[in-house]
Amino acid sequence: EVQILETGGGLVKPGGSLRLSCATSGFNFNDYFMNWVRQAPGKGLEWVAQIRNKNYNYATYYAESLEGRVTISRDDSKSSVYLQVSNLRAEDTAIYYCTNYYFNYWGQGVMVTVSS
Amino acid sequence: DIQMTQSPSSMSASLGDRVTITCRTSQDIGNYLTWFQQKPGKSPRRMIYGATNLAAGVPSRFSGSRSGSDYSLTISSLESEDMAIYYCLQSIQYPLTFGSGTKLEIK
Repeated sequence: EVQILETGGGLVKPGGSLRLSCATSGFNFNDYFMNWVRQAPGKGLEWVAQIRNKNYNYATYYAESLEGRVTISRDDSKSSVYLQVSNLRAEDTAIYYCTNYYFNYWGQGVMVTVSS
Repeated sequence: DIQMTQSPSSMSASLGDRVTITCRTSQDIGNYLTWFQQKPGKSPRRMIYGATNLAAGVPSRFSGSRSGSDYSLTISSLESEDMAIYYCLQSIQYPLTFGSGTKLEIK
């Protein structure tokens, strides 16, 4: 059974940083590119970042709205992917989802709230 | 960036109705189009991939089609469990972009 579990969310002050983690199991993580997608309260889905696998030199891609403030990384030995977000703003308040390249496996999401 | 113009933004239909939601793309995306269903408080669920392929476990009343730059999700006979928000996604070019969503309600 595929499992994806995001952790690391919470309440952060504007200007702060956060590192989200996504632990996976049940599929061959090393073969997959991985994505982060977010959803602000009451809003639609927004793709955030993607990291490719070793065969593609772990290439990374980012949404323009976050570029420069976000870093996606992975640890294949732990079947995990991470999202580091810095200089957080109120508009970064959202549920952050971890999902695989084909978008057929999703975590339950983790809430990030940016507020003073 | 590739713009995904999704319509309608909301709709109401009766049980048994045929329902169609459309995404129009600003550039050619081939068949790199995925449809998602999202129910309140839940993660998105992939319904259609590659524009026309039914995802595993999705009822056969759902289908996807393409006509030029218009991609459609059709529910052939609406059931109450289909009440949700539906999103399209293009994955041919970075940044990946979603449509703005269609909220489907049951009359």
